[in-house]
Amino acid sequence: DSGVTQTPKHLITATGQRVTLRCSPRSGDLSVYWYQQSLDQGLQFLIQYYNGEERAKGNILERFSAQQFPDLHSELNLSSLELGDSALYFCASSVSVGAGGTETQYFGPGTRLLVL
Amino acid sequence: AQTVTQSQPEMSVQEAETVTLSCTYDTSESNYYLFWYKQPPSRQMILVIRQEAYKQQNATENRFSVNFQKAAKSFSLKISDSQLGDTAMYFCAFITIQGAQKLVFGQGTRLTINP
Repeated sequence: DSGVTQTPKHLITATGQRVTLRCSPRSGDLSVYWYQQSLDQGLQFLIQYYNGEERAKGNILERFSAQQFPDLHSELNLSSLELGDSALYFCASSVSVGAGGTETQYFGPGTRLLVL
Repeated sequence: AQTVTQSQPEMSVQEAETVTLSCTYDTSESNYYLFWYKQPPSRQMILVIRQEAYKQQNATENRFSVNFQKAAKSFSLKISDSQLGDTAMYFCAFITIQGAQKLVFGQGTRLTINP
């Protein structure tokens, strides 16, 4: 158990819908990262938040957004869902003290999203 | 561009054998960290081992060790005395100190340990 929690574990929805994925980082970790794992694209970095602020952005679609709340949990919002958005979405957390950001990232169990 | 290449899509060995998974990477940065993550059938991403690029000594964690060749940008993982529970996808990844703090992953190697 990494200490990172994600809910829900599974999500089945229809095209055009909107869903919210939730992540709670390990106790003491200030950074949260979101990754998407799909069959054709592999593991792709989406976005990072550090202590409530967006720190880095990767291959995140405009239909997707995220935020980190004062209690450090994070939510990833996916809207206007398409079939191709079906994937495993991981949240990871790290301490990220200072600008280095090279502390080890610990992954949650993931949310498996299926868009029908 | 920053990339990671794992040239072995699948590998299979007998229990108790030693197996080496290959990984090469490309980055123009000189300061970075390298990782191997394991993803068993449960799909959980589990850290196996970590290597700081500035350290010449290869990292080891029990039965897991790495061969880090910085000049060649090579970072292979050796699993000794393999066990059935080592069956998983293994991903090589790195993160640079400068720039976006994101892990860049390879496509993975599916390792099967046979009884």
